[in-house]
Amino acid sequence: DGGITQSPKYLFRKEGQNVTLSCEQNLNHDAMYWYRQDPGQGLRLIYYSQIVNDFQKGDIAEGYSVSREKKESFPLTVTSAQKNPTAFYLCASSIRLGEQYFGPGTRLTVT
Amino acid sequence: AQSVTQLGSHVSVSEGALVLLRCNYSSSVPPYLFWYVQYPNQGLQLLLKYTSAATLVKGINGFEAEFKKSETSFHLTKPSAHMSDAAEYFCAVSGPQGGSEKLVFGKGTKLTVNP
Repeated sequence: DGGITQSPKYLFRKEGQNVTLSCEQNLNHDAMYWYRQDPGQGLRLIYYSQIVNDFQKGDIAEGYSVSREKKESFPLTVTSAQKNPTAFYLCASSIRLGEQYFGPGTRLTVT
Repeated sequence: AQSVTQLGSHVSVSEGALVLLRCNYSSSVPPYLFWYVQYPNQGLQLLLKYTSAATLVKGINGFEAEFKKSETSFHLTKPSAHMSDAAEYFCAVSGPQGGSEKLVFGKGTKLTVNP
């Protein structure tokens, strides 16, 4: 089955540690996206990539980093510089100018 | 800049009643518009999309939405609510003619269906 996988579903980290969230897609989509979701705030774009080896900052990129070495993979690193990292993180992909397909999400808790 | 406003962060209806979730957008170019649904602790699933073809768009699970340019609205409706419709709904806008491939989301409307 084609789709987007995110792992793990739940992730717990201590404050001050970097953590990497995985996102893989087998839809052959060029574009991939990372969003952060907090209660009552909708989805906010962190980073997006329209092609391999290229990515752009979204609206809330500070404290996050990404890489796009393969078309299928777009991992997100939440660094210790992110002031409030506890949130639900969603990855998505799309064909050019098409609707976005979402993964199941990773809930990150930092204490 | 594009933006989306969803009126009402919470909507409650009785089972069998009409569902109406409101979405207004602002865009300087003809937009693409989307409605997504999210069940607890899951990702978003596309319900329907408007891409400048028919103004009345039919989606999955009996939902439909009408694009009204004069009102800059794209409200989501369903004639008869079912318990399984309880979820959070997001309206989103993108601007293909402006070359933007990003989606801008509203803050969401949580739908409760009462028996």
